[in-house]
Amino acid sequence: GDSVTQMEGPVTLSEEAFLTINCTYTATGYPSLFWYVQYPGEGLQLLLKATKADDKGSNKGFEATYRKETTSFHLEKGSVQVSDSAVYFCALSDPTDSWGKLQFGAGTQVVVTP
Amino acid sequence: EAGVAQSPRYKIIEKRQSVAFWCNPISGHATLYWYQQILGQGPKLLIQFQNNGVVDDSQLPKDRFSAERLKGVDSTLKIQPAKLEDSAVYLCASSLGRQTSTDTQYFGPGTRLTVL
Repeated sequence: GDSVTQMEGPVTLSEEAFLTINCTYTATGYPSLFWYVQYPGEGLQLLLKATKADDKGSNKGFEATYRKETTSFHLEKGSVQVSDSAVYFCALSDPTDSWGKLQFGAGTQVVVTP
Repeated sequence: EAGVAQSPRYKIIEKRQSVAFWCNPISGHATLYWYQQILGQGPKLLIQFQNNGVVDDSQLPKDRFSAERLKGVDSTLKIQPAKLEDSAVYLCASSLGRQTSTDTQYFGPGTRLTVL
């Protein structure tokens, strides 16, 4: 079945550091890929998405590129802020498997210190 | 535009008791999802509605969980009787439902359930 694997946290880094969160996936079809973010005490929010190979999603300084050859969708940000502290979830939606349900990774907690 | 609303935000019950959660999706969204998020894990789909019909309930423990979406708008999720392992955050999400695999799902704040 479909699955998403992302790097374990917590990831602790200083303000203005470079952030990478690795995400790889297994799917039978050609899924759409998503990054959701969960700030403390809040619900999940879509951060960015990509729906086909080589697409790059971007938002709020974050970027991720859909790499079909490596089945990856790594999240990057060049200079993090304290306000980026949150849990980040990689997810996929496989059009051959369901009606759009999201298969989530376990989440990666990011802690940014001043 | 109002987001997805859920209530209550928190609920504490004893095992074997029953509990119900309510969700009001974004207006005009045809697809509604209920996810269970256990601490330290990613959300897992329990049930999905397209308008007022169920399209996926394969991971819903049907001996104790039930859900309905009357008139294709609001939805309720019920657990009866609750077990300790049901302690989790229950998330409701909705989407337009036109291109379901690429649609953005919008999540509510969740209901945190603690079963003692």
